[in-house]
This record gives sequence, C-alpha cells and structure tokens, in this order.
Amino acid sequence: GENVEQHPSTLSVQEGDSAVIKCTYSDSASNYFPWYKQELGKGPQLIIDIRSNVGEKKDQRIAVTLNKTAKHFSLHITETQPEDSAVYFCAADTGAGSYQLTFGKGTKLSVIP
Amino acid sequence: DVKVTQSSRYLVKRTGEKVFLECVQDMDHENMFWYRQDPGLGLRLIYFSYDVKMKEKGDIPEGYSVSREKKERFSLILESASTNQTSMYLCASTSGAKSEQFFGPGTRLTVL
Repeated sequence: GENVEQHPSTLSVQEGDSAVIKCTYSDSASNYFPWYKQELGKGPQLIIDIRSNVGEKKDQRIAVTLNKTAKHFSLHITETQPEDSAVYFCAADTGAGSYQLTFGKGTKLSVIP
Repeated sequence: DVKVTQSSRYLVKRTGEKVFLECVQDMDHENMFWYRQDPGLGLRLIYFSYDVKMKEKGDIPEGYSVSREKKERFSLILESASTNQTSMYLCASTSGAKSEQFFGPGTRLTVL
C-alpha cells in the first residue's frame, strides 16, 4: 500500500519568513496530493491540493509543488503569519480511483512574532 | 456551510465498556471515514464506508466495528474498550475520489 513520509516533524520560523514542508510517497499510481491544516481543537481542513497533471499550484501565500518522477511534493508558505501556526498534514490517494487517503505524520509549524 | 458533527468532544470510559462514537454529515456525501489520530503517528484510517450498509476495513480495524444505516450517519463501535484505544477519533466525509475530505472536530476518548 501507499506510504507517505513527511519532514520535518516540527518547524519554527520568524514571522515574515518562508516555511517549507516536504513529503515523499511510494505508490507511483497515486495522483492526488492534498494538504490539510489542523488548528488546535479542530479537525483538519483542506488548504490546497494538486493533481499529477500539474507541477505547481498557488493560492495566495501558499504553493504546492509536485515531482512525480522523484515521488515527492512540498508545501511552501511565504510571508508567514502567527495564524499560520498549526499542524500540517500531507496526503496521497491510494490510486486507481480510490477514495482513501494515506496521511503523513504531520508537521507542527510555529510562527514566532 | 458544510458540516460534519461528532456526538461528543470528550469521552471517558472504563476498560471493557462498549463505546459508540457517532458522526453525522449534512452534505449528502456517500463516502465517510473514521480515523484515529495519535501524536507522532498522524491520521490512520480505521474504517470507511462508500454507501449505506457498505463498509471497508482501513489500516487499523482491529478492535473496532462500524455501522452505516443511514447515508448521513456513520458510527464507530468499540466492542470492549481497552486503554490502548485512548486517542483522538476523527470522522470525515467526501463526495468522491480525489475530492476534499471534510472533517469533524474530533472526539477525544480516554479509556481508564
């Protein structure tokens, strides 16, 4: 089955700096890669996703890049703000039309004012 | 506003008790999921359902069962709770493959 590795497990940045979280996956059949943000006391919420027919996608301060050959994808947050502090999870679908997602172990991002 | 609700935010049970965790979604989604979240382990899939009365095992189904009698409701059952089932339980729903999963707020279960 799919295996998703996520690094780093914790990340501290100064407000205004950029943050990068990286994930690798194992199943070459996977072609949907979402990122979720989980704030304290809440369930995860989708912030951006990418499909394998594109290499990069941006939404304001957030961007995701995908390298299918190397089987890795990354989340980039620019101009970080204190409200970006949360746990971020990457995920990959299990391929072939499956509804299932395999999640990484999460990255706790702290933005220091 | 789309919504996934879970019956309890916090629950404390005794070892050996039968525990029911309820999840309701109002988006008419066909697919529903139960995850377990533990520190350092991320989200792990326990069971999912792609239709009423249909269920599939996820990665960690041992010690759990599920019930889906109505489209909007998906229940997770711990037949005989054990201390190693102390965890955060998250329910989610989605309209289809490669689509956003909408999560509930979670139930933090403590088994004493």
